[in-house]
Amino acid sequence: AQSVTQLDSHVSVSEGTPVLLRCNYSSSYSPSLFWYVQHPNKGLQLLLKYTSAATLVKGINGFEAEFKKSETSFHLTKPSAHMSDAAEYFCVVSVNFGNEKLTFGTGTRLTIIP
Amino acid sequence: DVKVTQSSRYLVKRTGEKVFLECVQDMDHENMFWYRQDPGLGLRLIYFSYDVKMKEKGDIPEGYSVSREKKERFSLILESASTNQTSMYLCASSFFRGRLFYEQYFGPGTRLTVT
Repeated sequence: AQSVTQLDSHVSVSEGTPVLLRCNYSSSYSPSLFWYVQHPNKGLQLLLKYTSAATLVKGINGFEAEFKKSETSFHLTKPSAHMSDAAEYFCVVSVNFGNEKLTFGTGTRLTIIP
Repeated sequence: DVKVTQSSRYLVKRTGEKVFLECVQDMDHENMFWYRQDPGLGLRLIYFSYDVKMKEKGDIPEGYSVSREKKERFSLILESASTNQTSMYLCASSFFRGRLFYEQYFGPGTRLTVT
């Protein structure tokens, strides 16, 4: 079985300051991990993915995440927040058995303070 | 650019009605998925399909059925809508190439209200 825990339901940061959204996963096998973003009234968009290559993954819009097996974590970071980053972020885990069943976290709402 | 479209952005139905939610993808993806999204619960998988006429239950299939008659189209059916099915419904699609993993692409969602 696999699961993912997003440690914060809501994060607020000031514009121009760093962003950290935390995610821990549980998986019996080697996982694939993703971060998706959902802007208000929009569908989900893939930010980045880890699929057993480099442990530091760079995504779109300046976001990156580091896979840490020893800590079972996949935290999302950005050096400097922008107003357009305000959205809901989902951490997602999947196990590569040739199917693509994703398990979603409950989401973290990111608010940017001007 | 992958495009996943859903037939309606907003839908209001009465309890007991039969409801059809349609999803179409234009990238020849083998896999298609239906999720519902509720505050504080994230996305939960209702049904998915690996091929035409193929379907498999997800985590919360009760009260729903699906149909996939053509590769590009995947329909979610609420046989008798109930108020606890008021939710945001998201469709997604992806490639399938054996053990390689490809990300899912999502539609904009349908916000269904059952009164």
